[in-house]
Amino acid sequence: ELKVEQNPLFLSMQEGKNYTIYCNYSTTSDRLYWYRQDPGKSLESLFVLLSNGAVKQEGRLMASLDTKARLSTLHITAAVHDLSATYFCAVDSLRTSGSRLTFGEGTQLTVNP
Amino acid sequence: ETGVTQTPRHLVMGMTNKKSLKCEQHLGHNAMYWYKQSAKKPLELMFVYNFKEQTENNSVPSRFSPECPNSSHLFLHLHTLQPEDSALYLCASSRELNTEAFFGQGTRLTVV
Repeated sequence: ELKVEQNPLFLSMQEGKNYTIYCNYSTTSDRLYWYRQDPGKSLESLFVLLSNGAVKQEGRLMASLDTKARLSTLHITAAVHDLSATYFCAVDSLRTSGSRLTFGEGTQLTVNP
Repeated sequence: ETGVTQTPRHLVMGMTNKKSLKCEQHLGHNAMYWYKQSAKKPLELMFVYNFKEQTENNSVPSRFSPECPNSSHLFLHLHTLQPEDSALYLCASSRELNTEAFFGQGTRLTVV
């Protein structure tokens, strides 16, 4: 069974600081997704990482994927308050019956002024 | 706005009630999903439909009954629920089974 673990689960940081959220998964997969969820809102797709070594950047967020280490990172550069949200990684495990997206527990990020 | 619309946004129901959640997408996607999000737990996949056919039932109790009349609509029929079923129920769709999923706003369900 595929397991996805995020670290840390809670992160409080000051504006202007940098930090990295880690996502480890237990079985082979070549597809990893990062989502953002604001309180009371739905999940918003941030990044789709499809191959080993993939790196994508959007604003102050950068995501990378190392399929050999079964690790993805979400790096936050010079955090601002608007980035406060819960961030989920999700891994796609293709099976004979089709796709199955397994989510991590989420990292609740709070950026303080 | 992701193109996936869920109704109602909030629902309070008694344990003997019967209600339905609705999900609609006009993105031309072929796969649709129901997820459950409980407090302090990862999102749990409940059901997967591909081209209207159910491809996965993740050991969901029979008090949850999905229905997919066409590729654009997905329902979740609820009956005799328990208080522990209270959660945010999220619908999602994707172009194919193994492509990026787009989520609806969710239905916040409270069972009393």
